[in-house]
Amino acid sequence: DADVTQTPRNRITKTGKRIMLECSQTKGHDRMYWYRQDPGLGLQLIYYSFDVKDINKGEISDGYSVSRQAQAKFSLSLESAIPNQTALYFCATSDSTGAGELFFGEGSRLTVL
Amino acid sequence: QKEVEQNSGPLSVPEGAIASLNCTYSDRGSQSFFWYRQYSGKSPELIMFIYSNGDKEDGRFTAQLNKASQYVSLLIRDSQPSDSATYLCAVNPGAGSYQLTFGKGTKLSVIP
Repeated sequence: DADVTQTPRNRITKTGKRIMLECSQTKGHDRMYWYRQDPGLGLQLIYYSFDVKDINKGEISDGYSVSRQAQAKFSLSLESAIPNQTALYFCATSDSTGAGELFFGEGSRLTVL
Repeated sequence: QKEVEQNSGPLSVPEGAIASLNCTYSDRGSQSFFWYRQYSGKSPELIMFIYSNGDKEDGRFTAQLNKASQYVSLLIRDSQPSDSATYLCAVNPGAGSYQLTFGKGTKLSVIP
């Protein structure tokens, strides 16, 4: 089983719908991240969390919200999805010793029609 | 705006050759540098990191860092078809920052 699990892996939805992407990890890491990847573009950080009570905005947080339900669970919500949020979303974790070694989930491909 | 620039490629090399991937960054104060490999349809995985000027070798991979010129490179010796992937350069600006800035990636194709 993957150490960082994302659900759903694929989702097609319509404009205006609320969508939640979920991430759970068994690595025991404190830090969790949500990234977005668009074709031909780099990974962009949406939100990150260092513990259950610590949530921080990344580069592109507008239109997104997150919830850290437990050390192992970090969910990303799109309150009202729009087509330009069509992308591949990755959850990642890291331990507290550094910010460079990220362990990624398998990704959630979201299509907003 | 902190930027990390990579040639998008594709970079094609014959099997057995050396593949050279380059990355430049804009924030002169950046502290640590990472190379991630991403196979098509898969998630990125860390393959190398480097903190100090000079070379760092790990098997067939060598990371090179030149802070004065603000570039970091990845050399892959004896390239194999299994090395065909997109390589992402990532930079941590340090100074308490926990946000990696990723380049757009260079697609490498190793031709048998």
